[in-house]
Amino acid sequence: AQSVTQLDSQVPVFEEAPVELRCNYSSSVSVYLFWYVQYPNQGLQLLLKYLSGSTLVKGINGFEAEFNKSQTSFHLRKPSVHISDTAEYFCAVQSSYKLIFGSGTRLLVRP
Amino acid sequence: DTGVSQNPRHKITKRGQNVTFRCDPISEHNRLYWYRQTLGQGPEFLTYFQNEAQLEKSRLLSDRFSAERPKGSFSTLEIQRTEQGDSAMYLCASSVRDRENTEAFFGQGTRLTVV
Repeated sequence: AQSVTQLDSQVPVFEEAPVELRCNYSSSVSVYLFWYVQYPNQGLQLLLKYLSGSTLVKGINGFEAEFNKSQTSFHLRKPSVHISDTAEYFCAVQSSYKLIFGSGTRLLVRP
Repeated sequence: DTGVSQNPRHKITKRGQNVTFRCDPISEHNRLYWYRQTLGQGPEFLTYFQNEAQLEKSRLLSDRFSAERPKGSFSTLEIQRTEQGDSAMYLCASSVRDRENTEAFFGQGTRLTVV
């Protein structure tokens, strides 16, 4: 069965600093990977996705992620964060037609 | 607004009561999903429709839960005899089956509190 692990439950960072949110997956087949962001009391918004091709994927709001098959990772990065990036971030793997989510990482950006 | 719409946004109910949530997907999206998200966790898959056919139900979906999607348009999720453990955010998502792997668009969710 496919699964997703987000090791960091919370990541505090100062404004304008770089950040990396870690995601590892387990799958025996080709994977399709996603990062979603969730603001308080809101639904999920897609940041970026990896389906195939280039392992470096660029998304919205300046985020990017790198697919690493050998390390089964799909870490999310941003070179300079803003206060408005404070939110919950979820990594997900597609299993057939449904998404399997990690437990989330709360990004807390401090001034 | 052409996004996924969920109603109500919040629902407080007494234990043992029945509740029903509604989801209106994006027009022409033939796939519709329900997920449940408890505090501090990622969303968990509940069930999936392609058009009006319910093709999969998670083991999380006990016999107190039922979902419908008449005519392949909006969907309803009903919980009978609610329990405190049902308190969660219920998320609906929709997508288009134009290729196997495509983006699912999520609604803002219905937050259920069972007291």
